[in-house]
Amino acid sequence: GAGVSQSPRYKVAKRGQDVALRCDPISGHVSLFWYQQALGQGPEFLTYFQNEAQLDKSGLPSDRFFAERPEGSVSTLKIQRTQQEDSAVYLCASSPDVFRRSRSGNTIYFGEGSWLTVV
Amino acid sequence: GIQVEQSPPDLILQEGANSTLRCNFSDSVNNLQWFHQNPWGQLINLFYIPSGTKQNGRLSATTVATERYSLLYISSSQTTDSGVYFCAVERGAGGTSYGKLTFGQGTILTVHP
Repeated sequence: GAGVSQSPRYKVAKRGQDVALRCDPISGHVSLFWYQQALGQGPEFLTYFQNEAQLDKSGLPSDRFFAERPEGSVSTLKIQRTQQEDSAVYLCASSPDVFRRSRSGNTIYFGEGSWLTVV
Repeated sequence: GIQVEQSPPDLILQEGANSTLRCNFSDSVNNLQWFHQNPWGQLINLFYIPSGTKQNGRLSATTVATERYSLLYISSSQTTDSGVYFCAVERGAGGTSYGKLTFGQGTILTVHP
């Protein structure tokens, strides 16, 4: 596609409900990232995929958070038993290359985010 | 982990004015990017600039890696420049990076007509 696409754009969940957020990266992009952005803050890294392999999940805040990218393209971030502190914008990003040093660098393209509110 | 501080936190300008945004970081980096987040939440990459100077139209950026800071210059500002500007860095390992960015808190820019 033309850009990184995320769905749903807005989600209101009741506390304790499970949610699933979908990310369609730019076609052919090897790297995929999930970030969490709380209101008034900068985004914070959650997890990183290289193709289907989840190489870094150090930013996932608890074992209620789970991400997958089974075929190396679409990714899903799942949050189980949502809590109010999970309310945030969840940003997906992709980039075409991995571990590359070049003048253009590893440019990262972000989606518009999924806005999650837990009530 | 690495710390990223941006200043000023807020900036209000009249259309046509120039501005400078600053990003200080606490350790050496091999990846530094500036982003603009528009009012709809979209983060747009402006520059990849771990060192040196780059220009793109009315925007330019300079990173002095040895002194651990980067500057984003906006000239002849327009109302469409409004939004939040983020600096993000990656320390990386062995001189490489893959995009695990640490973001600053951002500078909120408002440009009035």
